[in-house]
Amino acid sequence: GQNIDQPTEMTATEGAIVQINCTYQTSGFNGLFWYQQHAGEAPTFLSYNVLDGLEEKGRFSSFLSRSKGYSYLLLKELQMKDSASYLCAVRDNYGQNFVFGPGTRLSVLP
Amino acid sequence: GAVVSQHPSRVICKSGTSVKIECRSLDFQATTMFWYRQFPKQSLMLMATSNEGSKATYEQGVEKDKFLINHASLTLSTLTVTSAHPEDSSFYICSAMEGMGSGTDTQYFGPGTRLTVL
Repeated sequence: GQNIDQPTEMTATEGAIVQINCTYQTSGFNGLFWYQQHAGEAPTFLSYNVLDGLEEKGRFSSFLSRSKGYSYLLLKELQMKDSASYLCAVRDNYGQNFVFGPGTRLSVLP
Repeated sequence: GAVVSQHPSRVICKSGTSVKIECRSLDFQATTMFWYRQFPKQSLMLMATSNEGSKATYEQGVEKDKFLINHASLTLSTLTVTSAHPEDSSFYICSAMEGMGSGTDTQYFGPGTRLTVL
């Protein structure tokens, strides 16, 4: 079966660092993606990992460990506009099927 | 680049009518398009995957006769909700992918269509 887990909600303070974890158990693996979704809007692409290790993109970094079925999204220097849901998604071996996690709703407080 | 549009952004209709939602990739050719629905405070639920010129592949539990998908060209896919009922009220989001899912091929999402069936 396909299963992706993320914490439901997280709260952090403006200027701080927050790490959002994602664990997955899927029948195949061909990449892990992180998306940001503001309330009432469509998701936007943040990052992509297919090999183990850390990918850094400005204030956002994403880490992958394939052997552990684990990824995290790290957000630094948090801003109020970072308040959103963060979706972890795994693409299967066939390349077309994306399985989305339940999303983590992040609230950034002043 | 990689802009996906959806039309309409919001629709209210009476129970029993059909509603068509268009999804267009504006600056790239989308080999694959996906249709999702999302209920409030929940994650995306994949409804179907469509490739240009072929029949859509529906996820388990999604009625293909109720949710008609047509991927007529590399830049346009349509979702028609037939005989809509109040339980079909949801946020429908399309996404488009340029390649076949290798490398960094990712999905670019449309802005979504909020359907309300009275």
